[in-house]
Amino acid sequence: EAQVTQNPRYLITVTGKKLTVTCSQNMNHEYMSWYRQDPGLGLRQIYYSMNVEVTDKGDVPEGYKVSRKEKRNFPLILESPSPNQTSLYFCASSFMSQMGAQQKGYTFGSGTRLTVV
Amino acid sequence: GESVGLHLPTLSVQEGDNSIINCAYSNSASDYFIWYKQESGKGPQFIIDIRSNMDKRQGQRVTVLLNKTVKHLSLQIAATQPGDSAVYFCAENRNSGYALNFGKGTSLLVTP
Repeated sequence: EAQVTQNPRYLITVTGKKLTVTCSQNMNHEYMSWYRQDPGLGLRQIYYSMNVEVTDKGDVPEGYKVSRKEKRNFPLILESPSPNQTSLYFCASSFMSQMGAQQKGYTFGSGTRLTVV
Repeated sequence: GESVGLHLPTLSVQEGDNSIINCAYSNSASDYFIWYKQESGKGPQFIIDIRSNMDKRQGQRVTVLLNKTVKHLSLQIAATQPGDSAVYFCAENRNSGYALNFGKGTSLLVTP
């Protein structure tokens, strides 16, 4: 089954304790992205990657890191989590067309609900 | 800045009725639009998309209408069912490329 898999689904952690949320896709998609979803603010892009070893900041990158060492994996790293990073996080992936623009939309993972206390 | 917004945050309809969810966009350069459905506890799921060279596209029980003159997008759901209860998001591509800009969502509640 074609899917984007995130782990963990739920995580409660303490301020300052480094954590990693994993994301893996089995569709051979080039483009991968992380979003956070907050009430009243909708989905906001954190980071994205257009290929292995190619990553760039989205709209709200502060406090986050990513890496893309393999095509299928795109982990989100919080080096020193803070309470304002409590949110619902989604990983998404898509094909990159030769036209250089979005053609098929994103496939989303099921989400990771993170609470930082 | 450019934004995608929704006219109504919540919509309640009776089972069997048709639903219409609206979305306004401000980026006249956007050429690709998508509707997503997000059920409780799940990630957004693709429903239907439309390119700017079209004004209407139909799927199974869903129709998307695009009015570029007034920068308006709508999702019509025919014969709404309880399983249609969810939050619906519109999204637009941002100035080409692969990033999608999402609206804040409309919650659709289907009552018996």
